[in-house]
Amino acid sequence: AQSVSQHNHHVILSEAASLELGCNYSYGGTVNLFWYVQYPGQHLQLLLKYFSGDPLVKGIKGFEAEFIKSKFSFNLRKPSVQWSDTAEYFCAVTIKAAGNKLTFGGGTRVLVKP
Amino acid sequence: GAVVSQHPSRVICKSGTSVKIECRSLDFQATTMFWYRQFPKQSLMLMATSNEGSKATYEQGVEKDKFLINHASLTLSTLTVTSAHPEDSSFYICSASGLWGSEAFFGQGTRLTVV
Repeated sequence: AQSVSQHNHHVILSEAASLELGCNYSYGGTVNLFWYVQYPGQHLQLLLKYFSGDPLVKGIKGFEAEFIKSKFSFNLRKPSVQWSDTAEYFCAVTIKAAGNKLTFGGGTRVLVKP
Repeated sequence: GAVVSQHPSRVICKSGTSVKIECRSLDFQATTMFWYRQFPKQSLMLMATSNEGSKATYEQGVEKDKFLINHASLTLSTLTVTSAHPEDSSFYICSASGLWGSEAFFGQGTRLTVV
């Protein structure tokens, strides 16, 4: 079965710092990749997704992610974070064999200090 | 994006009673709906996958007789927690998607507290 690993459980950084969250998945076939964000007290929202094409994907709120197939990775980045980026971030994967069933990583809790 | 509405957002019930949670896709036909459970400070754990008109597929360790899922139409799925116990207290989230390759949209979640 596929699995998704997020290496950092907690990240604390200051405003204007750059953010990179790691995500690796284990599956050799066709995958779709997602990053979701959950702001405090709110439901999950899609930040960005990769289905095919350009491996560098740009999402909302200045986030981007790069799919590196050889490394089975889909790391999320933001050059300059804001206090409002404080949230929990989840990487997720769907594989064709399992339809649209999302497998989530463990999540990374990001705290941006003003 | 598409809208998925989950109701109720919060519910408190007594031990031994049953609670029904609804998940509706408001502006698209959801081929598949998923039910997740999220424990505090943890990731989402998939409980079951339901396709319209067929029985739900439950993940290992999830009791199908306790968590009844009905997906009667392309826009509605329900999760009924039967004979609820305090350990069933959790945050339950549904998501809905169309065909393979399409994005999944999430409901706002239901916080269930069993007292």
